[in-house]
Amino acid sequence: NAGVMQNPRHLVRRRGQEARLRCSPMKGHSHVYWYRQLPEEGLKFMVYLQKENIIDESGMPKERFSAEFPKEGPSILRIQQVVRGDSAAYFCASSPQVGVAQPQHFGDGTRLSIL
Amino acid sequence: AQRVTQPEKLLSVFKGAPVELKCNYSYSGSPELFWYVQYSRQRLQLLLRHISRESIKGFTADLNKGETSFHLKKPFAQEEDSAMYYCALFSGSARQLTFGSGTQLTVLP
Repeated sequence: NAGVMQNPRHLVRRRGQEARLRCSPMKGHSHVYWYRQLPEEGLKFMVYLQKENIIDESGMPKERFSAEFPKEGPSILRIQQVVRGDSAAYFCASSPQVGVAQPQHFGDGTRLSIL
Repeated sequence: AQRVTQPEKLLSVFKGAPVELKCNYSYSGSPELFWYVQYSRQRLQLLLRHISRESIKGFTADLNKGETSFHLKKPFAQEEDSAMYYCALFSGSARQLTFGSGTQLTVLP
């Protein structure tokens, strides 16, 4: 089992461009979580998805950010019209189901840099 | 709203010395707490969780509801313990992990 796979590992965008971050959960996991880590800070929850459904997006900015987890393929975190403040590390985690007995497994993250 | 506080950003101890990484939480419900560790150039991984009451790599953590703390302890630190440690709280209602800001532990030879 390759674990949670995120790509790209590093992404550079200019202000105003779009950024697409991908996350393939562990095999057998149907729950995906996205977290953002700003410099010098801890991970902050953004969104929780199951296949084809957004369950909780309370941590995601209302504008420019969107997430999906289609029936086939990876989960995508999309940031439109990026700004300097979007520079951060974005981590994806997955679990087989919800619950404390099912710890979340993390990917290596995508480091997004905005020029 | 839930909150996790790790008051120490950096912590250095000598090899063989005891180490304690502090974690305090704020949560109105029944907390489920975890410690995650990130070694250099590796991904974040689960170290231990309070419901298991286990010891991993010599580390233990006890949930103290009276003090709302979940401090991570190890009696004799090793150089390979040097890493970033995050305390996290699982909110069953919100179904998300709330992380502290992390403590960078350095174990000196």
